[in-house]
Amino acid sequence: KAGVTQTPRYLIKTRGQQVTLSCSPISGHRSVSWYQQTPGQGLQFLFEYFSETQRNKGNFPGRFSGRQFSNSRSEMNVSTLELGDSALYLCASNGKTGLNTEAFFGQGTRLTVV
Amino acid sequence: GIQVEQSPPDLILQEGANSTLRCNFSDSVNNLQWFHQNPWGQLINLFYIPSGTKQNGRLSATTVATERYSLLYISSSQTTDSGVYFCAVGEWDNAGNMLTFGGGTRLMVKP
Repeated sequence: KAGVTQTPRYLIKTRGQQVTLSCSPISGHRSVSWYQQTPGQGLQFLFEYFSETQRNKGNFPGRFSGRQFSNSRSEMNVSTLELGDSALYLCASNGKTGLNTEAFFGQGTRLTVV
Repeated sequence: GIQVEQSPPDLILQEGANSTLRCNFSDSVNNLQWFHQNPWGQLINLFYIPSGTKQNGRLSATTVATERYSLLYISSSQTTDSGVYFCAVGEWDNAGNMLTFGGGTRLMVKP
């Protein structure tokens, strides 16, 4: 079965612009999580969506937002980009393994803000 | 929130050597996964192991949930094992799917 698909793979934006990233989860998975990876802060949780509802949110400013569609595809948006938003953004598709849930990651979107 | 610490932060091995990577966590968990991050940034699933022991080829993992640690063993290492290994946990009382990652162990295997 198809894996987790993130688009685009690479993106260069200018400070002050906004950006939208997309994630298509594994077929049948209803939960999608987003993570930011930077050299200084490591891998940090952004938010999770389950059945079109935000279920968990990390400690990020309101410029970071997301949504999930009825087909479980998710988008995240970053408005008013700052240089510090340059990072690898990873999407996880969460599915049941036994009683609990296992995360499967996409290839990521590498965002550079100039 | 839960704290996750991985050790060592860096590891250099000669091809064929064995290694043990450790992950300590500060609270009860309902999920623990080990990942290998490839050079292109993708996190590759190695083990889903909230408790017990699993083996997959040259890799094996053990989680002792009551003592809040997990170990990843790599035997007969190969140059293709190089990269960063992450441990990630889900908090026991969190109803959703939020993983907290450790800082990673950067492994370099020399030929």
